[in-house]
Amino acid sequence: NAGVTQTPKFQVLKTGQSMTLQCAQDMNHNSMYWYRQDPGMGLRLIYYSASEGTTDKGEVPNGYNVSRLNKREFSLRLESAAPSQTSVYFCASSEPGQGAREQYFGPGTRLTVT
Amino acid sequence: AQSVTQLDSQVPVFEEAPVELRCNYSSSVSVYLFWYVQYPNQGLQLLLKYLSGSTLVKGINGFEAEFNKSQTSFHLRKPSVHISDTAEYFCAVMWGGFQKLVFGTGTRLLVSP
Repeated sequence: NAGVTQTPKFQVLKTGQSMTLQCAQDMNHNSMYWYRQDPGMGLRLIYYSASEGTTDKGEVPNGYNVSRLNKREFSLRLESAAPSQTSVYFCASSEPGQGAREQYFGPGTRLTVT
Repeated sequence: AQSVTQLDSQVPVFEEAPVELRCNYSSSVSVYLFWYVQYPNQGLQLLLKYLSGSTLVKGINGFEAEFNKSQTSFHLRKPSVHISDTAEYFCAVMWGGFQKLVFGTGTRLLVSP
């Protein structure tokens, strides 16, 4: 039982390049999330997927797109990377409902855009 | 908009001393409250959560937190810290039926011998 896995762990991109961050969970959770973490700003929600087939914008969606490929997988795409997207990206999943609202986090992807 | 405030960006403390990390949020209407810990270069791990019931919540590693509805606070406490507690701690709040968590900016706990 691996929980939430993310690939890659590290990535360096040049401005204007594109890439996809992958996330998978094996806990059969319905909801999945993408956050970015920047120093002094905590975690900010980029996009989330309440259930398979649905996605919604979070607090900072500009410059990103997401795909909920199936119940297990939720990917985050940067179409044209910018230095402002240098950050640590975390994927999380949860099973909504009374008593089970905590989110489980992956290990993160550290992205640098030069 | 709902917000979560962690006023202390950094808290230095000596080993075996007590510590309190403060968290306040903007509205107490139907909230669910969480504390997460992040060790260096790792993801977030749940320390404890308040969903309902007793306002004093005990978590892992000897931490506890108290939900105070009138003061809209959820402060984290530990009576005696260890060097291994050095980490960043995040308070997070979920309001009502929404599935989204709002995080505070984090408090870095620095435990020295």
